[in-house]
Amino acid sequence: GIQVEQSPPDLILQEGANSTLRCNFSDSVNNLQWFHQNPWGQLINLFYIPSGTKQNGRLSATTVATERYSLLYISSSQTTDSGVYFCAVERKGGSNYKLTFGKGTLLTVNP
Amino acid sequence: ETGVTQTPRHLVMGMTNKKSLKCEQHLGHNAMYWYKQSAKKPLELMFVYNFKEQTENNSVPSRFSPECPNSSHLFLHLHTLQPEDSALYLCASSRTTGGANVLTFGAGSRLTVL
Repeated sequence: GIQVEQSPPDLILQEGANSTLRCNFSDSVNNLQWFHQNPWGQLINLFYIPSGTKQNGRLSATTVATERYSLLYISSSQTTDSGVYFCAVERKGGSNYKLTFGKGTLLTVNP
Repeated sequence: ETGVTQTPRHLVMGMTNKKSLKCEQHLGHNAMYWYKQSAKKPLELMFVYNFKEQTENNSVPSRFSPECPNSSHLFLHLHTLQPEDSALYLCASSRTTGGANVLTFGAGSRLTVL
């Protein structure tokens, strides 16, 4: 199956700092989503971004499909940004409903 | 509140018990999913239902038995579980027709098997 690798595995920031999270995938995709999981386990969809660039407030994401990677940018980080960030992809030509998740990046933002 | 509700939020059971997890979505979605999240592992897809029909069973042991009576409700029946089945079980839903298949997750049911 498709492989999804996220980096870094852990990241510690001071409030106000910027960061970039990376997701590499091993095959062509027709679906790529970024999720944030808060410390209580709730997963929230941040972006649906199989290609191109999107922005939502302090967060933005870019996917370069031809080079098989996606980046999530967090600017002016806040303590509420802490949690695990997951990238999930669906292989092009695969099952329409099978998202494969990476292992995530654990982000800790200190006040 | 995401529109996907899971109950119970926490469950402790013995290996010989029978229990069920429930998921309900109020988003008008047609597909529902069960994922398992164990410590230090990526989320693992267990089952997918599309318009009440099972479309994916990711080699899940038979001690996990899903049920989808309609597009808004999904159950996971648990029977004779093992301690290694302790995990966070996440339900999700999506609309798979007419556009991007974007998942909305519930808050999860944390299961501990003694």
